[in-house]
Amino acid sequence: DAKTTQPTSMDCAEGRAANLPCNHSTISGNEYVYWYRQIHSQGPQYIIHGLKNNETNEMASLIITEDRKSSTLILPHATLRDTAVYYCIVRVTGANSKLTFGKGITLSVRP
Amino acid sequence: GAVVSQHPSRVICKSGTSVKIECRSLDFQATTMFWYRQFPKQSLMLMATSNEGSKATYEQGVEKDKFLINHASLTLSTLTVTSAHPEDSSFYICSARVPGQGAHGYTFGSGTRLTVV
Repeated sequence: DAKTTQPTSMDCAEGRAANLPCNHSTISGNEYVYWYRQIHSQGPQYIIHGLKNNETNEMASLIITEDRKSSTLILPHATLRDTAVYYCIVRVTGANSKLTFGKGITLSVRP
Repeated sequence: GAVVSQHPSRVICKSGTSVKIECRSLDFQATTMFWYRQFPKQSLMLMATSNEGSKATYEQGVEKDKFLINHASLTLSTLTVTSAHPEDSSFYICSARVPGQGAHGYTFGSGTRLTVV
């Protein structure tokens, strides 16, 4: 029972912003939105997370809609090294809350 | 930052043999570690949750007698694939929650590519 839906793939040009959408229409009030990415044959890497406010860090920005039913991860200036599978995950916080990965979206950054 | 070291990165073994994969937290104590498996072009599937000093909790459909998990110390968890078969060939990844980093503090190992021939 998928909690999030993402497009299968997208591409963008190097240097341009990459906007990765995610739908989570059944998100509950205590669930956060997390984004991880996995570069080929490596372990996943944490990017960012948020509850309802927009968030920004050195890697990306996370825009969450007011109704929290969808969000967008923004990589402001994509580089070739950003080519990866990006996973949008919703989960409650908690000491041992599990991370459950969906299929993610494959982002290809072209030169 | 917190690092989880996973070894080996690649292993090839013969069908019927056992393979041990190690996951170490290098600069923090990990009371809980998670083991995932990833088949080609698929997502990560959680196999089990490993708790220091107690039995691991396995996800539905994962054979606990085939995938032995030991978490004997706060810095080491091991996954042993027993009597491996070609269908066990996969990418195995461990993860640990980093204390003090809040709910987002999960760090992952670099993965182990297992090929059973």
